[in-house]
Amino acid sequence: AQKVTQAQTEISVVEKEDVTLDCVYETRDTTYYLFWYKQPPSGELVFLIRRNSFDEQNEISGRYSWNFQKSTSSFNFTITASQVVDSAVYFCALSEAPGNQFYFGTGTSLTVIP
Amino acid sequence: DTEVTQTPKHLVMGMTNKKSLKCEQHMGHRAMYWYKQKAKKPPELMFVYSYEKLSINESVPSRFSPECPNSSLLNLHLHALQPEDSALYLCASSYRLADYNEQFFGPGTRLTVL
Repeated sequence: AQKVTQAQTEISVVEKEDVTLDCVYETRDTTYYLFWYKQPPSGELVFLIRRNSFDEQNEISGRYSWNFQKSTSSFNFTITASQVVDSAVYFCALSEAPGNQFYFGTGTSLTVIP
Repeated sequence: DTEVTQTPKHLVMGMTNKKSLKCEQHMGHRAMYWYKQKAKKPPELMFVYSYEKLSINESVPSRFSPECPNSSLLNLHLHALQPEDSALYLCASSYRLADYNEQFFGPGTRLTVL
């Protein structure tokens, strides 16, 4: 069974629009961490955020914000006022104990049209 | 220095060649990873090293041989590869394997097997 589901395969938005990328996870552990990574066309995965299972506070970093809801097992990512440089594939990932192995979602490809 | 470097950036090899991929980090991280990523797919874990010892081998064929000569360096030796092994090979590192640390990725090596 897929531990991390990113149902949106591809999304296109026009520049300056807001966009939300969905991530739903599945785990029986009480302690776990969730991550978001950005992969631009160059290939390198860029770390964006880490969130532990005990901290449900939403986080904002510039134009990026994350909404973590344990009740729905979701960890959604919103980009406000999108820009062309936001075009990339975004991966959500889950880490359970032990071993720090990451379970990646299938990724959402975001295209921001100028 | 918060960078993971990988060389070469691109590699084309024949099925009878022997080549090596190199990964380096100077962040003091003690866990290092090799991932394989096919187009439009998430990264797939291949190997994990913890304190220079192989900790996880995800049933990778023996034509891929990892090596961790010291805490900063990770190699992947390639021999008798198949065309289906063509992919982006990503190296990553994290502070320790036992914790839920974020992984920092290198830019990858794009491998083509002819």
